[in-house]
Amino acid sequence: DAGVIQSPRHEVTEMGQEVTLRCKPISGHNSLFWYRQTMMRGLELLIYFNNNVPIDDSGMPEDRFSAKMPNASFSTLKIQPSEPRDSAVYFCASSLIGGWDTGELFFGEGSRLTVL
Amino acid sequence: AQKVTQAQTEISVVEKEDVTLDCVYETRDTTYYLFWYKQPPSGELVFLIRRNSFDEQNEISGRYSWNFQKSTSSFNFTITASQVVDSAVYFCALSSTGGGNKLTFGTGTQLKVEL
Repeated sequence: DAGVIQSPRHEVTEMGQEVTLRCKPISGHNSLFWYRQTMMRGLELLIYFNNNVPIDDSGMPEDRFSAKMPNASFSTLKIQPSEPRDSAVYFCASSLIGGWDTGELFFGEGSRLTVL
Repeated sequence: AQKVTQAQTEISVVEKEDVTLDCVYETRDTTYYLFWYKQPPSGELVFLIRRNSFDEQNEISGRYSWNFQKSTSSFNFTITASQVVDSAVYFCALSSTGGGNKLTFGTGTQLKVEL
């Protein structure tokens, strides 16, 4: 069974360019999360969706960041324009939530972004 | 607000030694979940265990064991007879049922197991 799939695995871009990160969650999962990992701030939640609807985007750094989930099998995280401080590893994770149960998050392999 | 503290930034042990990774959490929720994830040098995050706040039984899985104590708000992780392949960063995390499954992570503990 395929896990969470992220692309690209590595992205190097120049400041000011638009960056789009993609995620395909595990089939059947109803929640999707975007996390960012940096040395300074560790793992921080950017946004999460439940049944394709954004529930909490309080972690999105600023208006340059946007995320969409047009259907249950695809999500994007876009940064426009990108800045060097956006350099990080971006993880996508999915989970199945039912009632009171909190299932574990399954993470993708991450997208390493470097903004020069 | 929820918080997870992993006070040990880095631990170095010699292979076959036992090692315990500490995790202390803070939450006002009565129902919550605790997790451990492993991040090997390759970078992916690997799920190890999930415990809910109503189940304080310790758990053992092979060389791994977890000690959950609500009285001290701790969820410690012990690796018995450590191996070089255990070298990784280990993250403790917390979520609550009211939080929609979003995880709050600790800062991680880098474990280095040497020959």
